[in-house]
Amino acid sequence: AQSVTQLDSHVSVSEGTPVLLRCNYSSSYSPSLFWYVQHPNKGLQLLLKYTSAATLVKGINGFEAEFKKSETSFHLTKPSAHMSDAAEYFCVVSVGNQGGKLIFGQGTELSVKP
Amino acid sequence: DTGVSQNPRHKITKRGQNVTFRCDPISEHNRLYWYRQTLGQGPEFLTYFQNEAQLEKSRLLSDRFSAERPKGSFSTLEIQRTEQGDSAMYLCASSFRGLVDEQFFGPGTRLTVL
Repeated sequence: AQSVTQLDSHVSVSEGTPVLLRCNYSSSYSPSLFWYVQHPNKGLQLLLKYTSAATLVKGINGFEAEFKKSETSFHLTKPSAHMSDAAEYFCVVSVGNQGGKLIFGQGTELSVKP
Repeated sequence: DTGVSQNPRHKITKRGQNVTFRCDPISEHNRLYWYRQTLGQGPEFLTYFQNEAQLEKSRLLSDRFSAERPKGSFSTLEIQRTEQGDSAMYLCASSFRGLVDEQFFGPGTRLTVL
């Protein structure tokens, strides 16, 4: 069965410093993996997706993630945090053989200090 | 605006009452999904449609829950005899069936059961 585990429920960084949000996945199939962001009182927005092409995936707002099959990881990074990055981030796996429903991790809340 | 829309955005009801939510997907999308998100958790899959056919229902979806997508366009989610445990954000997403189902989410309907 497919699942994702986000290793940190809360991450706090200072503005201008790197961001690392960690995610491990479990999948019986070659997975499709996503990172979504949820700002307060706003809908979920897709940051980036991995679909078995390049293992390093670039997304919006300077975020990127690297798919590492040997480590079953899909960590999200950004070189320099901005105040507007403060939000909830979800690592997600698609159950592609079951209609594409999404399995979400528990979420990581990112705080950015000035 | 051509995104996914949901109505109402907020609903407060008393225990035992019935409620109905509506989701209007992106017009060319043939798949529509419902998820539920409780405080501090990631969204959980409830059900999905491909066109008008409901293809899967989660075990989370008790007999009090019913969803329809009568003409393959908008969808409704009805909860009968609401309970306090039904309080949550109900999210709708849509996608176009393709190689990878990238789902676009609406803003959600926040249900509070008193």
